[in-house]
Amino acid sequence: EAGVTQFPSHSVIEKGQTVTLRCDPISGHDNLYWYRRVMGKEIKFLLHFVKESKQDESGMPNNRFLAERTGGTYSTLKVQPAELEDSGVYFCASSQEGPSYEQYFGPGTRLTVT
Amino acid sequence: GQSLEQPSEVTAVEGAIVQINCTYQTSGFYGLSWYQQHDGGAPTFLSYNALDGLEETGRFSSFLSRSDSYGYLLLQELQMKDSASYFCAGNTGGFKTIFGAGTRLFVKA
Repeated sequence: EAGVTQFPSHSVIEKGQTVTLRCDPISGHDNLYWYRRVMGKEIKFLLHFVKESKQDESGMPNNRFLAERTGGTYSTLKVQPAELEDSGVYFCASSQEGPSYEQYFGPGTRLTVT
Repeated sequence: GQSLEQPSEVTAVEGAIVQINCTYQTSGFYGLSWYQQHDGGAPTFLSYNALDGLEETGRFSSFLSRSDSYGYLLLQELQMKDSASYFCAGNTGGFKTIFGAGTRLFVKA
């Protein structure tokens, strides 16, 4: 069974540019989460999808961030325009149907905004 | 607010036992999870405590005391490969999980 995959693994962009991160969850997992970790700090919740519906986006920093999950499969997280404070590692995780304390994480995308 | 506190670093020698503590302040708290992350890798699930007490999984054990808002991860017979970051995470019911800042464990020979 393939795990959660994320693309790209690294991205370096300039302030003001746009970046789109992609996450492919484990097949059949209804729940998909996005998290961000700034160096040395906590893994911070951004949002949660159940299939294609956003269930909780309380962690999204501001309206420069847009997440989608069309068709309930893969998800994208777009940052437009990027700011310096957006730098960090963005993790995607998925879990099976229903509330789950066991989430399967992808390897993350390291975003650097210069 | 919702937060989990854990030490930033712990160092131990190979073969020893180490305990990583986690204290939390969360509303609607349902349970405590632990994740391991090696440098550059994905966080991987280790254990979950929904009830007070000790859960054992091989060399790893996890403990929860709801009355003390406290939990810990116990690693026995430490191996070099256990060097990693360990995160406690509070499950707040529903789907939202709140993570601590992680404890970096260094295992020395």
